[in-house]
Amino acid sequence: AQKITQTQPGMFVQEKEAVTLDCTYDTSDQSYGLFWYKQPSSGEMIFLIYQGSYDEQNATEGRYSLNFQKARKSANLVISASQLGDSAMYFCAMREGRGNYGQNFVFGPGTRLSVLP
Amino acid sequence: DSGVTQTPKHLITATGQRVTLRCSPRSGDLSVYWYQQSLDQGLQFLIQYYNGEERAKGNILERFSAQQFPDLHSELNLSSLELGDSALYFCASSVGLGGKSTDTQYFGPGTRLTVL
Repeated sequence: AQKITQTQPGMFVQEKEAVTLDCTYDTSDQSYGLFWYKQPSSGEMIFLIYQGSYDEQNATEGRYSLNFQKARKSANLVISASQLGDSAMYFCAMREGRGNYGQNFVFGPGTRLSVLP
Repeated sequence: DSGVTQTPKHLITATGQRVTLRCSPRSGDLSVYWYQQSLDQGLQFLIQYYNGEERAKGNILERFSAQQFPDLHSELNLSSLELGDSALYFCASSVGLGGKSTDTQYFGPGTRLTVL
């Protein structure tokens, strides 16, 4: 079974509009973390935002916010006021705890976002 | 610039050969992670080292091995290469083991490996 599901292979959004990229996850751990990364066409992976499983408030970083719904096991990324430079592949990822022996990291298949002028 | 460096940027080699990819973590980071990104498998976690010790293992093949040296740089060794090993290999680093909110992984620019 997929641990991270991103159901939108591709998304389009008009410049200056907000967009939500979906992510659902599957874990039986109580302690875990959720990440979003951006991969532009140049190939590098850029960290955007982090949400811990025990964090009570949704994470925000500038124009990025994470809509964390623990009971639904979803961690959607919201980008406000989209810019042309936001066009990229976006990956949702999860860290599952393994105590003091390191962690397991799982990435979703990604969503390609295209921002239209 | 994340502060994580990887060399070489590109590598072209033949099937059956052995290559070594190198990674230098951000200053102060003790953990190094290796990932493989291919078109059919997506981004796969391979292995994690923390302060010289192996700490977590993902989908790493037996033909692949890694180590982290006392100066904290890491090398990923790929041997008996096959066509399917062609991929983008990322290294990432974090301060700690990755269990805390501050342990964000910062990725290097990647090494693109092409096996002919």
